[in-house]
Amino acid sequence: DVKVTQSSRYLVKRTGEKVFLECVQDMDHENMFWYRQDPGLGLRLIYFSYDVKMKEKGDIPEGYSVSREKKERFSLILESASTNQTSMYLCASSSETGGLNTEAFFGQGTRLTVV
Amino acid sequence: AQKITQTQPGMFVQEKEAVTLDCTYDTSDPSYGLFWYKQPSSGEMIFLIYQGSYDQQNATEGRYSLNFQKARKSANLVISASQLGDSAMYFCAVRGSARQLTFGSGTQLTVLP
Repeated sequence: DVKVTQSSRYLVKRTGEKVFLECVQDMDHENMFWYRQDPGLGLRLIYFSYDVKMKEKGDIPEGYSVSREKKERFSLILESASTNQTSMYLCASSSETGGLNTEAFFGQGTRLTVV
Repeated sequence: AQKITQTQPGMFVQEKEAVTLDCTYDTSDPSYGLFWYKQPSSGEMIFLIYQGSYDQQNATEGRYSLNFQKARKSANLVISASQLGDSAMYFCAVRGSARQLTFGSGTQLTVLP
């Protein structure tokens, strides 16, 4: 079974803190994604990566950065956390081998609260 | 750029009846894939069904089928014989050649006994 693991289920951080959200997948997938999920807005793509050290901005990259130093690990960084970044964060990965029809596999999510 | 529009924030259906969840998409890619995911209250994302833009037939997976109308850019999910366990949030998504996977705002389905 494909496993995508996010380092924390719940996090509480203070405004201005630097926050790291870690995601690890164990299926050698090329593509990895970070989304945030908010009620009424669905899943919005923050960043994605299709290879080590490669990254692409999604729809809402402002206030975030990412790092992919190893194929299995994709980190989301909040340089200076703000209260409007309180949200559920979902990591996903997918294989590129099968082309367009390969589904993405998701982690369990990290609920981040910034106070 | 890609976009998914799900216009039904909430839907109700009686147990054992069929229900259609709407999804329209926009993409400039000539080749793309469409996905539906289910998110129960537990929060996990469960892949349901896939439709390729060049697939001639509508996709089916058990009680799930995808009503794909390419000219209308529509990819509606049909759930037949609804069960109480189908109560969940449902998301439509599109993927093009740039590998970006874009989701809609979701539809909260409630199945009534």
